[in-house]
This record gives sequence, C-alpha cells and structure tokens, in this order.
Amino acid sequence: DAMVIQNPRYQVTQFGKPVTLSCSQTLNHNVMYWYQQKSSQAPKLLFHYYDKDFNNEADTPDNFQSRRPNTSFCFLDIRSPGLGDAAMYLCATSSRLAGGDDTQYFGPGTRLTVL
Amino acid sequence: GNSVTQMEGPVTLSEEAFLTINCTYTATGYPSLFWYVQYPGEGLQLLLKATKADDKGSNKGFEATYRKETTSFHLEKGSVQVSDSAVYFCALNGGATNKLIFGTGTLLAVQP
Repeated sequence: DAMVIQNPRYQVTQFGKPVTLSCSQTLNHNVMYWYQQKSSQAPKLLFHYYDKDFNNEADTPDNFQSRRPNTSFCFLDIRSPGLGDAAMYLCATSSRLAGGDDTQYFGPGTRLTVL
Repeated sequence: GNSVTQMEGPVTLSEEAFLTINCTYTATGYPSLFWYVQYPGEGLQLLLKATKADDKGSNKGFEATYRKETTSFHLEKGSVQVSDSAVYFCALNGGATNKLIFGTGTLLAVQP
C-alpha cells in the first residue's frame, strides 16, 4: 500500500543536542509538509517542499531546518532542541498545491521528548 | 483570513448514540473541506472530504455535507462505537500554498 512513513516513532534527545526526524513516502507526491503538534492542539505547519522548492512559514523558528534530497524523502532537523520543542512531529504529502486532488495524507508521527 | 470554528469537546456519548460535531468556516473563494481523525498516539487520518458546495463526503458511517449557504461542514454518524473514540479535526484548504487551516479539534469519548 502507498503510504507515508516516519522514523523513528519515538525519539528522545537531550537539551541542545541536534536531532533529525525522517519521513518517506511511496505516493510519489510532489509536496511534502512538516507539522508540529503539541498536546491537545491542532497541528501547526512549519514548512513545506514543492518538488525542490522550500517554503518556510513566517513564524517557524530558525532552529528548525529541512532537507529533501529526493522525491521520496524529507528530513526535519532541529539544531538545538529546547524543552519547548517536545511535541509530535507530523509529515504529510500531497500531489499538488492547489486544484485537483490537493488532499494531504499524514504519516503516523514522531513523538519527540527533550530531556 | 481563512478560519475554522469547531465545537468544543469533550463529547461523551454512549455506544450506538447519534453523533454531530459542528464545524463552520470563513474563507474566500471555494475551499476544499476535510475531516481528519486522530487516535491516541497516532498521526492524522483522512476521514472524509468535500471539494465543492453540496458535495457529501462519507466514510466508515461518517458523513458531512459542504453547505456554502451556512458555511458549515458538520460531521455526523448515526451510531457510534467505542472504537470511534478519538480527536476529530475539521480543516479547510483554500490557498495557493495548500496550507491546511484546522479547527481546534473535538475529543470524542464513546462509552460502552
């Protein structure tokens, strides 16, 4: 089955220690998104890639970076995690940005704990 | 700007009860509308969607109709099960960047 995969499902890191979260997709979608979701809140978009074009949300901290080496993979790098970065991180994909089927499909998420 | 207003939870129901979760939106143009479901510790799963006025999305016994005249997309199910216990998010996509605008989420708890 085509899907969005996130690894690891649970990640523990130390305050200030860089961490990378991984997302891969078998849907061959052009667009990949990263969301941050804190407890009992709606997901918050951090940034997205349309093919190789990177689009950062205005309020995304500089501490968060992303890489997309190819169509299938996208990484979220947190350069110096703080306690406030503990959250669920969700990856999503869509075939296009607008028009047609712009539905976003989500992965299972990575739960990040910062000690 | 675009926004989604969703009824506050938690909603607690007995098994086989009728479910309604209200969702209204504000948007320019003609956004696509979605309901996503999130089970504990999991990511968001697409439950149903509608892309134009009067469309009805349906899946797993859940339904929602895109009502442009009332700017609403209420979620309904005729008979809920314990396994439906989850958080439900209403969302719209109305921009060129495909940014999803979410409601605050509604926690549904179904008791046997």
